[in-house]
This record gives sequence, structure tokens and C-alpha cells, in this order.
Amino acid sequence: AQTVTQSQPEMSVQEAETVTLSCTYDTSESDYYLFWYKQPPSRQMILVIRQEAYKQQNATENRFSVNFQKAAKSFSLKISDSQLGDAAMYFCAYRNFGNEKLTFGTGTRLTIIP
Amino acid sequence: NAGVTQTPKFQVLKTGQSMTLQCAQDMNHEYMSWYRQDPGMGLRLIHYSVGAGITDQGEVPNGYNVSRSTTEDFPLRLLSAAPSQTSVYFCASSYSQAAVTEAFFGQGTRLTVV
Repeated sequence: AQTVTQSQPEMSVQEAETVTLSCTYDTSESDYYLFWYKQPPSRQMILVIRQEAYKQQNATENRFSVNFQKAAKSFSLKISDSQLGDAAMYFCAYRNFGNEKLTFGTGTRLTIIP
Repeated sequence: NAGVTQTPKFQVLKTGQSMTLQCAQDMNHEYMSWYRQDPGMGLRLIHYSVGAGITDQGEVPNGYNVSRSTTEDFPLRLLSAAPSQTSVYFCASSYSQAAVTEAFFGQGTRLTVV
């Protein structure tokens, strides 16, 4: 079974600064997908970014980018120019190719300091 | 707006009571699933369905039943509520098992069992 580990229960960053959230995973599969979801106080789960394991290029979505290290099974999220609206719980998630089941990490609560 | 609709948003039950959490999606998605979110544990898969008439157990299925009579609806039934089922419940849907498609989440149901 796959596992996802987020070792930082809480992180904080000054507004406009850069922060990196860590995620490691364990799998014996070679084809899979990784995701970062944001959960603001509204409780809504919002997809931030996704990465296909077969792609060597790191995914980027505006201020959000990932550092995907397949051999190390690491998938960190970098948020640049942090904004107050980035304050939320962030979940790392894993999905096997051909399977829709998501395995989530325990989450990192991000606080933005004005 | 198209998406995943969960009802109710909040519910308080007494131990031993039964209830059904409703989930409906209007995106013609084949795959639907239920997760529970507990502090410090992320989201864990309860049950899932790959299409009408087909359901299967996830990681934490005990105490819950599901059925999938239509593509649109995927209700979650608690047969005899227990305090351990106090949690936030999310329904999710997605389209394909082949492509990297986004999982859409409902807004969640906060359930308290007293």
C-alpha cells in the first residue's frame, strides 16, 4: 500500500516571502500521479497543482511550483510571493495510474504573517 | 453551478441513530468516493464506486454502507452512529481512470455523534 508523509504539521511565512512544504511518499509503482490540495477555512478542497511521475519537468502554476524527485520519492510545494489568501491546510496526495483512489498525507497548516 | 453537492453541511446525531449523507454530481463522472477527515490524519477513503451498480470498500469502511443506483448519486449511510464516526465527510467525483483528471470535492459534511 502507498503512504504519503507530510512531516511539517505547521508552517508560517511572512507575506511576500517564499515557503516550501515537504511531502514524501512510498510506492513500488512506476506510473503514478501526485497532487497538492489546498483547504481554506471554508473546508473546500481545491486542487493547487499536479505532477505526472513520467514527466521529468516540474509542474508550475503561477506562484506555485513543485520539486519532484522521483528517485527520492519527494514532492515538495513551493509558494512564491506568499499572499494572505494562501493561508490554509495543504494536503499532498498520491494516485496510481489507472486508479482514481487518492492517498492523502496528514496535512500542513500554513499561516501567512502580514 | 456544476459540481459535487453534499447535504447536509452540518449534522448532530445521537449514538445509535442512523442517517444518510447525500452526494450528487452533475458532471457525468464515472468515479465517486467518500472520504472522512480527522485531525492529524488527513483524508481517508471509506467507500468508492467506479460506476452505477459497482461499489467497493476503501481504507475505513466499517460502520458505513453505500449504493450507486445512478451515475449522479452516491449516498453514504451510517447504520448505527458511534462517537468514533464524528468527523468531516467529503464526497468526490472524477471522470476517467486513464487520464490525469481532477477530483472534484463537495463542501463537506461536519458530523457530530453525541
